[in-house]
Amino acid sequence: GESVGLHLPTLSVQEGDNSIINCAYSNSASDYFIWYKQESGKGPQFIIDIRSNMDKRQGQRVTVLLNKTVKHLSLQIAATQPGDSAVYFCAEIGISNFGNEKLTFGTGTRLTIIP
Amino acid sequence: DVKVTQSSRYLVKRTGEKVFLECVQDMDHENMFWYRQDPGLGLRLIYFSYDVKMKEKGDIPEGYSVSREKKERFSLILESASTNQTSMYLCASSTIRAGRNYGYTFGSGTRLTVV
Repeated sequence: GESVGLHLPTLSVQEGDNSIINCAYSNSASDYFIWYKQESGKGPQFIIDIRSNMDKRQGQRVTVLLNKTVKHLSLQIAATQPGDSAVYFCAEIGISNFGNEKLTFGTGTRLTIIP
Repeated sequence: DVKVTQSSRYLVKRTGEKVFLECVQDMDHENMFWYRQDPGLGLRLIYFSYDVKMKEKGDIPEGYSVSREKKERFSLILESASTNQTSMYLCASSTIRAGRNYGYTFGSGTRLTVV
């Protein structure tokens, strides 16, 4: 079946370093992906998105890379700060059995920034 | 600035009880979603609704039902709560732009414990 998932459940990075969180997906028809950040006690918050007609998209300190050939996307966070500690999810837009769009999540990576 | 509101932050219910989880959004979004979040499993879609009185099963609908009588409100119902429904429940909404879902926004979640 179709799925989206992350490579590592946990990642620790020294404050100030760059971090890379990876995600693989299986549905080659997926054309829209979103990265979410979830802090303790809160719901997921939108970070950045990318459509399949792009390979790269940049935001403030974050970059998402999409490799459609190997069905892989990554989230890069530059100059990490303590506030970046959270669980990060990739999500893809899929189509339900009745043709409606739905958002499917990966299992998440817990990023810990070490002071 | 709260846009998706879940009525309860924490709930404790007994096995066999009928449980209602309420979600309200103030963004006039067409679509609303219910997910459950469990450690190591990420977010899994239970049900979603793309219009008033319209609903569609997600990936794990068993043991749940939903109600959407008004555009802004989407209720998740556990007909007879069981201990395996102990989880974090997250509500989300999205709008339609250029024919595609856009602007997914999540609530802060309801942590339900069934004893």
